[in-house]
Amino acid sequence: ETGVTQSPTHLIKTRGQQVTLRCSSQSGHNTVSWYQQALGQGPQFIFQYYREEENGRGNFPPRFSGLQFPNYSSELNVNALELDDSALYLCASSANMNTEAFFGQGTRLTVV
Amino acid sequence: GQQLNQSPQSMFIQEGEDVSMNCTSSSIFNTWLWYKQDPGEGPVLLIALYKAGELTSNGRLTAQFGITRKDSFLNISASIPSDVGIYFCAGGNTNAGKSTFGDGTTLTVKP
Repeated sequence: ETGVTQSPTHLIKTRGQQVTLRCSSQSGHNTVSWYQQALGQGPQFIFQYYREEENGRGNFPPRFSGLQFPNYSSELNVNALELDDSALYLCASSANMNTEAFFGQGTRLTVV
Repeated sequence: GQQLNQSPQSMFIQEGEDVSMNCTSSSIFNTWLWYKQDPGEGPVLLIALYKAGELTSNGRLTAQFGITRKDSFLNISASIPSDVGIYFCAGGNTNAGKSTFGDGTTLTVKP
């Protein structure tokens, strides 16, 4: 059984660019949630996907968007990057929207 | 919106000491979770609580779900150096998936 994996692990982008982050959910899990973690803070919920449909969204602008694929892997896309988007982006998977979620190691995004 | 207040913000303790940290919320949750995060890693689930008043242990860790459903605490007994890290509480509601996190308690253990 494989855990949650995210790619890439680190990324540097320029302000205004677009970025795509990827997440493979844990085997048997059909729910993926994305979180943004700024330095010194707890993770903040961006959105959740359950069986390829968005199932809840946090307080993030529309330039944050996502997808979930039939194999339950997921992508997070961020357009028009801003300096404040610099953070650790975490993906968590669970079964059937269960709150007991398991996190990947995260993608560290730096916007310069 | 929902907010979780986690305290203390940081702790410096001697190896072998017991540790207690807690989390309070302005909203009711029906699930409380405790995670530990090491530098450069994602949070790792330590304990999940599903019922008000529930007391659950995982080795040297014990957590309780407050009876008001607005708070939870985590105790670590006989701390060891590998307990160092940031501990997060998170509140959630069944089948809503989303968890609301506190800002963490940073634990330092001096050998």
